[in-house]
Amino acid sequence: DTGVSQNPRHKITKRGQNVTFRCDPISEHNRLYWYRQTLGQGPEFLTYFQNEAQLEKSRLLSDRFSAERPKGSFSTLEIQRTEQGDSAMYLCASSSGQGLNSPLHFGNGTRLTVT
Amino acid sequence: AQSVTQLGSHVSVSEGALVLLRCNYSSSVPPYLFWYVQYPNQGLQLLLKYTTGATLVKGINGFEAEFKKSETSFHLTKPSAHMSDAAEYFCAVSAPGNQFYFGTGTSLTVIP
Repeated sequence: DTGVSQNPRHKITKRGQNVTFRCDPISEHNRLYWYRQTLGQGPEFLTYFQNEAQLEKSRLLSDRFSAERPKGSFSTLEIQRTEQGDSAMYLCASSSGQGLNSPLHFGNGTRLTVT
Repeated sequence: AQSVTQLGSHVSVSEGALVLLRCNYSSSVPPYLFWYVQYPNQGLQLLLKYTTGATLVKGINGFEAEFKKSETSFHLTKPSAHMSDAAEYFCAVSAPGNQFYFGTGTSLTVIP
């Protein structure tokens, strides 16, 4: 179990630029989640995948956000035309998907700063 | 609908004192409840979970939590705080649709 890996750890970008984050889940986990966390808040759900299928998206996920999980392995989260309000920690988590009692395993996150 | 409320965004305890972090939940179905810990610039790490069965759940690092259905609570405790326990703690509930809802967190400070 090598854990959930996220890259990059930090990203600084100028407003209006596009950014892409990558998440590699625990290999045998079929569920993958993206969360956003701002200072002093808990993680907020963005979207989740079961294998390669994106099953749910939060209203927080505007048209500028897109997530993919080709082949049900790693996932990418892209933000187009970044805004200062996008500055946050983006967390990826995976679970084995064996029911609602399967806990989430989190990566260390990607901290995005939009200047 | 599922949600959790964590009372007290900041808690300070002396080293060696009892730690009590409060969590109340709202759930339309029997809940699955979790506590996570987050250290600075890291992701969340599972401390413990309640699914079914015994209502007193033991986790890592000496933490435990008790599920009380009548009080809709799942408070986290540790008998004796250690300096290394200083971190952010999150309570979470899982919901049909495979979503997890997190509280706003409680920052624990341990005073030497």
